[in-house]
Amino acid sequence: GNSVTQMEGPVTLSEEAFLTINCTYTATGYPSLFWYVQYPGEGLQLLLKATKADDKGSNKGFEATYRKETTSFHLEKGSVQVSDSAVYFCALLNYGGSQGNLIFGKGTKLSVKP
Amino acid sequence: DAGVIQSPRHEVTEMGQEVTLRCKPISGHNSLFWYRQTMMRGLELLIYFNNNVPIDDSGMPEDRFSAKMPNASFSTLKIQPSEPRDSAVYFCASRSGQGQRGRTDTQYFGPGTRLTVL
Repeated sequence: GNSVTQMEGPVTLSEEAFLTINCTYTATGYPSLFWYVQYPGEGLQLLLKATKADDKGSNKGFEATYRKETTSFHLEKGSVQVSDSAVYFCALLNYGGSQGNLIFGKGTKLSVKP
Repeated sequence: DAGVIQSPRHEVTEMGQEVTLRCKPISGHNSLFWYRQTMMRGLELLIYFNNNVPIDDSGMPEDRFSAKMPNASFSTLKIQPSEPRDSAVYFCASRSGQGQRGRTDTQYFGPGTRLTVL
């Protein structure tokens, strides 16, 4: 089956620290991979995505590279800000079966302290 | 564009009452998803429509839950009767197309409805 595993949070960092949130996946096919972010009291927003192996998605200083050999899509940012405090969800989209439904990880809460 | 619109934003009701959540997808989008988010189970897909037709309702927890999409611009999720374990945040999301790789694969989420059943 299809599944996504994220590192458990919460993750607490100081401003300007380096961020890594690990994400690994299991998929029967060849999925696309996503990171969504949820700010307090809001819905999920797409942060970045990658649709094939070795693609790098990037946005707002965040990056993630689609690694097929390790089935991973780790999220990184070189210098976090207080405004990055949110919950981050890794997700995959497979293209068989149920016509492309997103499978989400459980989310990782990030708190950035000034 | 106003994005996905959900109403109400907050709903507090008593056990046994009927609850109706509403969603207006982004204009032109033809796929609509209902999700439920709880601390224990995370984000769960309840049901997915394509062109107003339910495609996958395997996530609907039980017969107390029903969802409809009478037209391309409106969907409802109904719980009757409601129970305390239904307390959660319910999200609606929409997407254009069929989720083709790299083109129409992004879902856009509404702000959610926080449901509390006492």
